[in-house]
Amino acid sequence: QQPVQSPQAVILREGEDAVINCSSSKALYSVHWYRQKHGEAPVFLMILLKGGEQKGHEKISASFNEKKQQSSLYLTASQLSYSGTYFCGGCGAGGTSYGKLTFGQGTILTVHP
Amino acid sequence: DGGITQSPKYLFRKEGQNVTLSCEQNLNHDAMYWYRQDPGQGLRLIYYSQIVNDFQKGDIAEGYSVSREKKESFPLTVTSAQKNPTAFYLCASAQLGQPQHFGDGTRLSIL
Repeated sequence: QQPVQSPQAVILREGEDAVINCSSSKALYSVHWYRQKHGEAPVFLMILLKGGEQKGHEKISASFNEKKQQSSLYLTASQLSYSGTYFCGGCGAGGTSYGKLTFGQGTILTVHP
Repeated sequence: DGGITQSPKYLFRKEGQNVTLSCEQNLNHDAMYWYRQDPGQGLRLIYYSQIVNDFQKGDIAEGYSVSREKKESFPLTVTSAQKNPTAFYLCASAQLGQPQHFGDGTRLSIL
C-alpha cells in the first residue's frame, strides 16, 4: 500500500514556506524524498534512515517520526526553482523488501514570482 | 560520466506487439528498478532486481517481463498482454538502501 501525501497541491509566492506530509500504514525502514520537474526524471533530495531523524539541505529539510510512520518535508523561503512534483518513497526493512521503494502519489508545488 | 541510460526516448507499439525498453547503468550499482508513471500519478514499481540473475515482481508486474543477465543492464519487455501500455517508463539503480538514480525515461505510446 502506497504512502499518502498531503496536500495534493500547493501554490506559493516566492519566499513563502511549505510543508509536505507523507504517511505510511506499514512500518518503514527509511523514507526518501524526490522532486520531479515536468517530463524529467525524479531527482533525489534526501533520505531519512532513523526514527525522529531530521536532515536538511540548504532551505529544504525533512523529518521522520518512526512511531507515527510519518515524514514531513519543509521548504523555507521558497524559490522559483522549487516548483515541481514532490514524491516520498517508503522503504521496507529486510529481505527482498530492502531497497524497494513504494512512492506516494505526489504533491505538486508551484512557486510564483 | 557515470549514469543511467534509457533508450529509446520515445517508442510506439502496435497492437499485439512486444517491445523492449533498454536500461544501462555504469554506476556499479547492485540494484535496478523499473517504474511506470501515468499522467498525474506517482511512480509504480513494475520489477526490481537486487543482484544479477535475480529479480522480483513489483506492484504492477502483469504484462511485463525483465531479465538481469549483466550487472549493468536491466531491459524491460512490454508484452502484448499489457492492455494499457501507454505511459512514461523510468529505470533506476542504487546500492541497496541508498538513493535511487533515475534515467531520463522512455515514453511509450500505442499506434
